[in-house]
Order: sequence, then C-alpha cells, then structure tokens
Amino acid sequence: GQNIDQPTEMTATEGAIVQINCTYQTSGFNGLFWYQQHAGEAPTFLSYNVLDGLEEKGRFSSFLSRSKGYSYLLLKELQMKDSASYLCAVKDSNYQLIWGAGTKLIIKP
Amino acid sequence: GAVVSQHPSWVICKSGTSVKIECRSLDFQATTMFWYRQFPKQSLMLMATSNEGSKATYEQGVEKDKFLINHASLTLSTLTVTSAHPEDSSFYICSASSGRGSGSNEQFFGPGTRLTVL
Repeated sequence: GQNIDQPTEMTATEGAIVQINCTYQTSGFNGLFWYQQHAGEAPTFLSYNVLDGLEEKGRFSSFLSRSKGYSYLLLKELQMKDSASYLCAVKDSNYQLIWGAGTKLIIKP
Repeated sequence: GAVVSQHPSWVICKSGTSVKIECRSLDFQATTMFWYRQFPKQSLMLMATSNEGSKATYEQGVEKDKFLINHASLTLSTLTVTSAHPEDSSFYICSASSGRGSGSNEQFFGPGTRLTVL
C-alpha cells in the first residue's frame, strides 16, 4: 500500500528553528509537495521537490532524498503565525497526490 | 497567483435536502478539479477527480450517486450532496490544476465550504 508518515504534533518556540519530517512509500514518485493549513482554512502551497536536495524559499526550506523516501520542511525564525498544520503530499506513478495526515505545529512565545 | 473560489463558504441545511457547492478557477483554466472532504482534526480525504468534459473518477468508498460532480467548463465544477444527513457534515474543499496531474502542476485550493446538516 501507499503510505505517508509525519509526526502528529510538534511544539517549538517563537524565533527558533523546527524541522518537520516526512517519509513515504508510494508506487512511483513524481514529486513531493508541502502545504500549510491553518485551522478552518484550506491548504496553501509551500514547496515542491522532484530532485534530491534542498529548496530554499525565504524562511522555509524543503529537502528531498528519493533514495531514502524522505523529506523535511525546515522553518526558521518561527513566528506565532506559523502555528498551523503542515501537510506532506507525494505524487505517485499515476500522478495522483497521496496525502499525509499532517503535522500540527504549535508555536509558544 | 492562481485563485480558486468556492460558494457558499458555509451552509446549514435540514436532513434530506440537497446542497450544491460551486468551485471556480478565477484566473486560469482548470483542466482538472479535485474534491476533498476533511473531518475535524483529520487529513484531507480525496473524494473524486474530475477532468473537464468527462465523468468524475470517484475514490473507493465514495458514493457517486450521493455526491454528484459536474465539471462542465474549464472554470467551474460543482459538487451536489444529495439527501444530506448529519454524517455528511464536514469541510468540503475543492482544488484545481491547470494540468492533468503531471509535473509540478500544483493544486490551488478553494477556501472550503463548511456543511452542517441538522
């Protein structure tokens, strides 16, 4: 079967750095997405990785290792508004998005 | 950036009635639209995928006669929940993509519709 694993919940301090991991087992791989979802709102796109390595976009970076079936989302200089759920999703061989359950990130002052 | 709208943003209805939710891509042509359902504190659950001009593909366990999807144009898809019951109460989210799934075509999400069935 296809599976995406992420931690259920993480807590971090304002101004700090946090890394949210995602491991996947899918039938084929055509890219990995990270989305942010605030409570009661729809997801918004953060990043896309299809090749190994680190993609940096401001305070957010995303890393991919296809051989390990592993990705992480790195958030720097955390702000209170970063409190949200972070969803990892992988496109399989049929180009269908397989979603993780999401990681709820709690930021404390 | 690409904008997707949904209407209504919330709806309360009586058990047994039908509810129609519209999803529109405002500034791009959405070849493919997706409908998701999300229960509180749970992840997105894909209900169906629809390509413009063809029948929707439903995920396993989703009743196509209960959740009617129409994707009549490149900018509009509708989801009709027929004979709604309290267990259908959920957050329904649509997303749209300009590609047929390949490559980095990201999905742009609508703001969601919160359905409460009394």
